[in-house]
Amino acid sequence: NAGVTQTPKFQVLKTGQSMTLQCAQDMNHNSMYWYRQDPGMGLRLIYYSASEGTTDKGEVPNGYNVSRLNKREFSLRLESAAPSQTSVYFCASSEGQVPHDYGYTFGSGTRLTVV
Amino acid sequence: AQSVTQLDSQVPVFEEAPVELRCNYSSSVSVYLFWYVQYPNQGLQLLLKYLSGSTLVKGINGFEAEFNKSQTSFHLRKPSVHISDTAEYFCAVRTLTGGGNKLTFGTGTQLKVEL
Repeated sequence: NAGVTQTPKFQVLKTGQSMTLQCAQDMNHNSMYWYRQDPGMGLRLIYYSASEGTTDKGEVPNGYNVSRLNKREFSLRLESAAPSQTSVYFCASSEGQVPHDYGYTFGSGTRLTVV
Repeated sequence: AQSVTQLDSQVPVFEEAPVELRCNYSSSVSVYLFWYVQYPNQGLQLLLKYLSGSTLVKGINGFEAEFNKSQTSFHLRKPSVHISDTAEYFCAVRTLTGGGNKLTFGTGTQLKVEL
């Protein structure tokens, strides 16, 4: 039972480099999300995808792009990394159609450092 | 827009003592409420959720929370903590109307259980 799988687990980038964080879920969930976690700030929503083929901005989308490749996969791209993007990134998924399914299942995170 | 306030950033407690982690939310409409736990270097796991009905909600690992609409609170409690409860705890809210299935998270409370 893999749940939500994120790759890579760790990454160090130089300022200006680009990279894509991968996320895949095997629970047939409709909705997927990218959050960043910073000390003292909790989790902040970057982008989400309510269903396959749709994406929307969250609270902190600047500097990021996303692709909902299919129902299983939702990737997050940093086109030109900046030190302010040093963070732990979490992908999550949910069914989200009825109240019982409103909770999220989270991946184990990607720890990104931009130097 | 809804918001979540976790009043304590850190809570130290001795093993076998009771603990309460506080959460207040701000929303003009009815809400669904969640508590998540994050163990070191892991993703978030769902502890419990309030959807409707009884205001006392029981979750995993002996935790429970009480929804208080008049106080707009959803405090998490455990009558006797264990060393293994050391983790960060996040309160989250989802509003019933609009906004897709998006959760807004608090800034987290670090629970440290000491011998």
